[in-house]
Amino acid sequence: DAGITQSPRHKVTETGTPVTLRCHQTENHRYMYWYRQDPGHGLRLIHYSYGVKDTDKGEVSDGYSVSRSKTEDFLLTLESATSSQTSVYFCAIRPGTGTYNEKLFFGSGTQLSVL
Amino acid sequence: AQKITQTQPGMFVQEKEAVTLDCTYDTSDQSYGLFWYKQPSSGEMIFLIYQGSYDEQNATEGRYSLNFQKARKSANLVISASQLGDSAMYFCAILNNAGNMLTFGGGTRLMVKP
Repeated sequence: DAGITQSPRHKVTETGTPVTLRCHQTENHRYMYWYRQDPGHGLRLIHYSYGVKDTDKGEVSDGYSVSRSKTEDFLLTLESATSSQTSVYFCAIRPGTGTYNEKLFFGSGTQLSVL
Repeated sequence: AQKITQTQPGMFVQEKEAVTLDCTYDTSDQSYGLFWYKQPSSGEMIFLIYQGSYDEQNATEGRYSLNFQKARKSANLVISASQLGDSAMYFCAILNNAGNMLTFGGGTRLMVKP
């Protein structure tokens, strides 16, 4: 196991409420990513981080914000959840040591349902 | 921007036969990496194989091989001697030159028949 913990594993919330998902790693890897997975769309990148306080947007960043105040934690926040954000959310990490064939290691995913 | 296209939403293969899963990509980068991941019904993402854009030989990992045709921008996954446990979703992905973004295709669901 790559030492990635996502919490919570399942979450049901109501439209308009804020939601924060947490990704915690014990590997001290540089890169951390948030993806969402929906049927027919595969995995789409929401945001990623390349270091503490260094983040950037991915393909589907609207409605999401992230923060990384420590190497080990990467938080994904839905400021005001909508039903279109019902999805499975995966966190992933990558060492970032400069070797080009580094693969992403994935967490177990968070199933989020917005009612 | 980079893009991965997997044109086969679902495929069947007979147990013990070989199967090819298609992947084409689009990128403006000269250097990039190509990955395949497997996602079984349990949901975890499992790394299968990697190919660098400047690697002259096709990558192999056990029963998995990557048929890399750079001029055609294709990176097909070949699974030899299919097993029932190979039934899963398979995703192709491309890593950009900067090494910070991995973009996935929509996936192919492979079903192995006994």
